[in-house]
Amino acid sequence: ETGVTQSPTHLIKTRGQQVTLRCSSQSGHNTVSWYQQALGQGPQFIFQYYREEENGRGNFPPRFSGLQFPNYSSELNVNALELDDSALYLCASSAEPGQGGHYGYEQYFGPGTRLTVT
Amino acid sequence: GIQVEQSPPDLILQEGANSTLRCNFSDSVNNLQWFHQNPWGQLINLFYIPSGTKQNGRLSATTVATERYSLLYISSSQTTDSGVYFCAVDTFQTGANNLFFGTGTRLTVIP
Repeated sequence: ETGVTQSPTHLIKTRGQQVTLRCSSQSGHNTVSWYQQALGQGPQFIFQYYREEENGRGNFPPRFSGLQFPNYSSELNVNALELDDSALYLCASSAEPGQGGHYGYEQYFGPGTRLTVT
Repeated sequence: GIQVEQSPPDLILQEGANSTLRCNFSDSVNNLQWFHQNPWGQLINLFYIPSGTKQNGRLSATTVATERYSLLYISSSQTTDSGVYFCAVDTFQTGANNLFFGTGTRLTVIP
């Protein structure tokens, strides 16, 4: 069973640039969520993708966008980078989105991409 | 959104000691997970435990959903247990299966 993988491991960008981060979900999982973890904080939910559509979004501006592909892998795109975007970006996958009145499905995280904006 | 509070924020233990980490949350949950974040940032799944009790080796966890708290027990701690422990929850009210994280407990185990 292949776990969640992310690329690249580290990235350095300049303020105003755009960045794309990639995530491959664990085998058998169809739902991908992205989280941002600032230094010294817990991860914060950015958005979730299910069936190639956004399936929920946290308190992040529209310059954070994403995609999910037919093989369930996903991309996170951030436009017009700001210094505060410097963080560890984590991708998580689950077997189903698990919403409404149902119990949520266990989420498994990738190793993360550390983004530095200068 | 749901509030998640973890205590204590920091914990220093001698190797071999036992510890209890607590997670309080402000709403009914449909998902509760405990994670260990290693120094490289990887979140390692410890327990999926929206209710009840589970054990895995030296670790065990209990969630009392009606009283809105969960406990993580670490027995006979080892230096490799050092790191940050996060509790994360989701509620029945949210439209997506997204996790709300606490601010973590930083555990340091000294030889």
